[in-house]
Amino acid sequence: AQSVSQHNHHVILSEAASLELGCNYSYGGTVNLFWYVQYPGQHLQLLLKYFSGDPLVKGIKGFEAEFIKSKFSFNLRKPSVQWSDTAEYFCAVLNRDDKIIFGKGTRLHILP
Amino acid sequence: EAEVAQSPRYKITEKSQAVAFWCDPISGHATLYWYRQILGQGPELLVQFQDESVVDDSQLPKDRFSAERLKGVDSTLKIQPAELGDSAMYLCASSLLARYTDTQYFGPGTRLTVL
Repeated sequence: AQSVSQHNHHVILSEAASLELGCNYSYGGTVNLFWYVQYPGQHLQLLLKYFSGDPLVKGIKGFEAEFIKSKFSFNLRKPSVQWSDTAEYFCAVLNRDDKIIFGKGTRLHILP
Repeated sequence: EAEVAQSPRYKITEKSQAVAFWCDPISGHATLYWYRQILGQGPELLVQFQDESVVDDSQLPKDRFSAERLKGVDSTLKIQPAELGDSAMYLCASSLLARYTDTQYFGPGTRLTVL
């Protein structure tokens, strides 16, 4: 069965630090990939998505993710984080049955 | 900005009792999803509706869970009887189209605690 792995369950960074959250998926076919974010007290919302084309995807709030097919990875990056980026981040993949499979999430805590 | 509404936000119940959750999707969104999110896990799809029809309920524990969307607008998810392992966040989401590639908009969720 397809799966999504997020290796870091909890990340703590200082403001202005660079961020990279890892995401690996097991599905080997055509993939559709997502990053969702849930800010404290807010709804889960889409951050960015990859379906095809340029493997470097730009999302909201300065986030980007790079699809590397050979590594089965879709890591999320931001060059300089802010305190307001404190949230839980979920990587997800659309599997061959057209169902979204979510990872377990990474809690990101930014120190002011 | 239009949002997905859910109620109640919190529900505490005892084992073997019945509980029900309500969801009102964004107006005009034909597709509605119910997810369950256990603490420390990502959301897991329970059921997907296209208008009033169930498209996918393969992950719904049908012996105790039921879902309906009678008029193709709002939806109710019921658990009867509730079990301790049902304690989780229940999320509703909606999308304009029926494809998973379409952006899903999530509601605030209902946090269920079964004692």
